[in-house]
Amino acid sequence: GNSVTQMEGPVTLSEEAFLTINCTYTATGYPSLFWYVQYPGEGLQLLLKATKADDKGSNKGFEATYRKETTSFHLEKGSVQVSDSAVYFCALSDWRKAAGNKLTFGGGTRVLVKP
Amino acid sequence: SQTIHQWPATLVQPVGSPLSLECTVEGTSNPNLYWYRQAAGRGLQLLFYSVGIGQISSEVPQNLSASRPQDRQFILSSKKLLLSDSGFYLCAWRRRGGRESLYEQYFGPGTRLTVT
Repeated sequence: GNSVTQMEGPVTLSEEAFLTINCTYTATGYPSLFWYVQYPGEGLQLLLKATKADDKGSNKGFEATYRKETTSFHLEKGSVQVSDSAVYFCALSDWRKAAGNKLTFGGGTRVLVKP
Repeated sequence: SQTIHQWPATLVQPVGSPLSLECTVEGTSNPNLYWYRQAAGRGLQLLFYSVGIGQISSEVPQNLSASRPQDRQFILSSKKLLLSDSGFYLCAWRRRGGRESLYEQYFGPGTRLTVT
């Protein structure tokens, strides 16, 4: 079956530091890949996505590149801010038209940015 | 534009009491709908999903149930709550049709349930 593995965290950084959150996946075919962010007490928001190999998703200074050869979709940001403190979820969507077309989520990575 | 609503925002219920959480979506039609639970400090667990009115698929056996009485309404229920039902409940929708795997899910603001 499909699965997503991401580093557990928490990841603690200082403001303006470089952030990387690793995400690897197992899936058949060509899944679409997503990063979601959850701020404290809120629902999840889509941060970025990539739907085919070598695509780069980007938003709010975050980037992730769909690497089929390494089955990875690592999230990066060059200079984090305190406001980036949140939980980040990597997810995949199976390319097959399965009923309901569910997302498979990783366990989430908590990021804490200190001033 | 599409919006998704959940209520109540917070709920404190005693063990053994019933539960009803509601989710509604505006600005789209015939969406796929999903209920997730997030225990404290944990990841997301998919509970139910629905591809149409009256069509409910359960992912995890438990004392919860779901219903979809209208196209854009999704309800999560329980007849008797357990302590282990405490958590953050999230509803989500996703566009149907075409290359569904390309489409992201959109999440509601969530309901925090505490069972005492």
